[in-house]
Amino acid sequence: GAVVSQHPSRVICKSGTSVKIECRSLDFQATTMFWYRQFPKQSLMLMATSNEGSKATYEQGVEKDKFLINHASLTLSTLTVTSAHPEDSSFYICSARLPGGPTEAFFGQGTRLTVV
Amino acid sequence: AQSVTQLDSQVPVFEEAPVELRCNYSSSVSVYLFWYVQYPNQGLQLLLKYLSGSTLVKGINGFEAEFNKSQTSFHLRKPSVHISDTAEYFCAVSVDTGRRALTFGSGTRLQVQP
Repeated sequence: GAVVSQHPSRVICKSGTSVKIECRSLDFQATTMFWYRQFPKQSLMLMATSNEGSKATYEQGVEKDKFLINHASLTLSTLTVTSAHPEDSSFYICSARLPGGPTEAFFGQGTRLTVV
Repeated sequence: AQSVTQLDSQVPVFEEAPVELRCNYSSSVSVYLFWYVQYPNQGLQLLLKYLSGSTLVKGINGFEAEFNKSQTSFHLRKPSVHISDTAEYFCAVSVDTGRRALTFGSGTRLQVQP
């Protein structure tokens, strides 16, 4: 199957700093990628849809100025958590789908963000 | 909009016993259905999917699921579980319009005991 690589897998940062998470589709081109957030023992909540060459589409309640998404190429989307606070600590997961029909989504390994 | 309900937050089961994880969905349009497995601190791995055709779908690791349109269900089953099946299982739906993102259920923790 298709491979999605997410980096870093784990990051600890200080309050007030920014953190960038990368999501790459390694063997296919992804015009659309998705960013999810997962709280402990909870499901995945869609944060935003990342579209190559255009602005991301954010879900209701997600602060677009705090969670900056850039999809500059067909194989790379980045999520930057700006001015991070402890409440931003979470597990962030990206996914991408193959172009075309209703295929499954392929997921990155996830990034555990801890803000101290 | 679509929604997914996983009725059981936790399912304890003994090794080699059968298991069923329940999933019900709601949608005003036709949906595609998926089951994913998540191990601790990892991403999600696809177990199986239903797009069309036969309502009984077989996936990896001996899992299977049956799509029941009248009951709007997509329950996951395995006839004999192993310790290594201990993980979180998510049911998800998507539609072929709009952004085509997945909508996930709340997850079911399968705990296989020796």
